[in-house]
Amino acid sequence: AQSVSQHNHHVILSEAASLELGCNYSYGGTVNLFWYVQYPGQHLQLLLKYFSGDPLVKGIKGFEAEFIKSKFSFNLRKPSVQWSDTAEYFCAVNPQGAAGNKLTFGGGTRVLVKP
Amino acid sequence: GAGVSQSPSNKVTEKGKDVELRCDPISGHTALYWYRQSLGQGLEFLIYFQGNSAPDKSGLPSDRFSAERTGGSVSTLTIQRTQQEDSAVYLCASSLGRLAGGTDTQYFGPGTRLTVL
Repeated sequence: AQSVSQHNHHVILSEAASLELGCNYSYGGTVNLFWYVQYPGQHLQLLLKYFSGDPLVKGIKGFEAEFIKSKFSFNLRKPSVQWSDTAEYFCAVNPQGAAGNKLTFGGGTRVLVKP
Repeated sequence: GAGVSQSPSNKVTEKGKDVELRCDPISGHTALYWYRQSLGQGLEFLIYFQGNSAPDKSGLPSDRFSAERTGGSVSTLTIQRTQQEDSAVYLCASSLGRLAGGTDTQYFGPGTRLTVL
C-alpha cells in the first residue's frame, strides 16, 4: 500500500516570503500526484496535479510543484506568499492505472501567513 | 454550477445511535468517494463508487459502516451503533469518472462534522 509523508505540520511565515512544502510518497509503481488546499471554513480544492510529462507543474494562485522521481518527492512551492495563502495543504497520490481513483493523503501542513 | 453538497453540515449524536450522512455529487459525475478527516488519522479513504460497478469498500473501518448510492447519484453513508472514535468530518467527493488510470480531479464537498457523545 502507498503512503504519503508531509514533513512539516505547521509553517509560519511573513507575506512575500517564499514557501516550500515537502511531500514524499512510498509506492513501488508509478503514481499520480496531487496537492489540495483547504482554506479556513472552506472545502478541499485542487491546487495542481501531475500525471506525466514535464515534472514541473504549475497550478492555480501562483503555486507550482516539482516531481522528482528519484526522491519520490512532489514538493509544493510559491515564490511569494500572501496572507490569503493561509490554509492547510494536503499532498495526495494514487497509483496510475488503478481501477479506482482513491487518494492516499499526507497528514497535511498548516500554513499561517502573517500580514 | 453547483458543487458537491452534503447534509447535515453538523451532526451530534449519542454513542450507540445510528446516523446517516448524505452526499449529492456534481451532476454528471459518475464517480463518488467518501473520506474521513479526523485528528488522529488525517484524511482517509472510506469507499468509492464508479457507475454501476461494485463499490470499492476497502477503506471502511468496520462493518458498522456502510454506504449506498441510489440511481447513480445521491449517496448515503450510514454508521450504525456509533462510537466516540467515529467523531470526525466526513467528506464526499465526486469526479467525472471517465478518465482512466486515476487522473480524474476529485471535487470535494464541505463535509459533515459528526460528534459522538
